[in-house]
This record gives sequence, structure tokens and C-alpha cells, in this order.
Amino acid sequence: DAGVTQSPTHLIKTRGQHVTLRCSPISGHKSVSWYQQVLGQGPQFIFQYYEKEERGRGNFPDRFSARQFPNYSSELNVNALLLGDSALYLCASSLAVTDTQYFGPGTRLTVL
Amino acid sequence: EDQVTQSPEALRLQEGESSSLNCSYTVSGLRGLFWYRQDPGKGPEFLFTLYSAGEEKEKERLKATLTKKESFLHITAPKPEDSATYLCAVGGDTGGFKTIFGAGTRLFVKA
Repeated sequence: DAGVTQSPTHLIKTRGQHVTLRCSPISGHKSVSWYQQVLGQGPQFIFQYYEKEERGRGNFPDRFSARQFPNYSSELNVNALLLGDSALYLCASSLAVTDTQYFGPGTRLTVL
Repeated sequence: EDQVTQSPEALRLQEGESSSLNCSYTVSGLRGLFWYRQDPGKGPEFLFTLYSAGEEKEKERLKATLTKKESFLHITAPKPEDSATYLCAVGGDTGGFKTIFGAGTRLFVKA
């Protein structure tokens, strides 16, 4: 069975630009969560979606937004990129909101 | 405030030298405690989920335990391939579900 997939693998942007990251969950999973991981730190929770509705939000500015589609895939959008947005962005899927989350390989975003 | 603290930050072991990693937590509405293993540049790999105090789970050389305030990940007779960062996370439900991760323990096992 395919695990969580994310695209792209790597991305380089400049300050002020916009980026869209994509995630496909494990088949049968209805919840998707997004995390930001800076080098040397644990993942920081950004959003969780379940059945296309936002079910949790972390302490991130409004420049970060997300959505979930009818097929349960998800997009994370970041506007007006800052140097500090450079990080590994992780997507995780779960059967439901409080169930065990399984992570994808991540998207490495570099902002120059 | 919900918080997860892992100790030690780094741990160096000789092959076969057993030890334990600690995860202390404070969270409202605990819905689960999770352990993951992460290799450099990769996504976290799921190891265990614990739901209530007193619960224990084992997998190969790893054993996870849970109390009301902390969890331990015991590593028995580690091998070099066990070298990785071990992450602890808690799921809390207070006005919206959140998963909070600790900073991790970097484990180095020398042959």
C-alpha cells in the first residue's frame, strides 16, 4: 500500500513569493495534518483537516492557509515568504482526528 | 500551557548498552502519546501509540511505557542501525485538536 506522498520534494523560492505544497494521504484516511520542522527541532503543528473542515490550528500567521479536497488530498499555501519559512514541511494522515498520524517524506522549502 | 519535554537532548551508547529516553508532558484532554523515529532529512516513522497510564508496548528492541506525567522509551541492546532522532508527541483536545512534539532525543549507537 502506498504511504503518504508529498510534492514537490524540494523547492527554492525568493522572499515575498507564494508557495503551494501538496499531500496525498494513505488510502482510507480522512484526516490530513501539516507540520513545519526547522533543523534541530521537533515538528510544529500548523493545521489539521478532517472531511474538508479545519479541526485544529497551530500558532502560525495568516500567511499560512490550507484546504482539503473531496478525495482527502490537501494543499498548504504560504504567502509573502520570509527567510524564516525555510524548513521541512511535513504532511501526516490519519483515519480520524485523534488517531495515529503517519508521515510523508516532507517537502524541503528554501527561501532565499 | 501544553508542553512536551524530552531528555536527554543527545545520547551516545555503545552497541549492546541499554538505556532509556524520557518524555515529560503537560496537556489538557490527552488523546494519545506517540513515539516516532526520524532519520536525517526524512519524515518521522511511527513506532508506538499509548493511550492510558500503565500501558506498555514493545517492538523488537524498543519498549514504550506511559504514566500520567511522562513516558519512557527503553532501548535494549541497541545496534548501530538504531541511531536516529526519537520524537515524542502528545495529542490534546482543547478547543480544537492539536499534536505537540518534543524537540527529540538524538541517539548515537557506536559499534
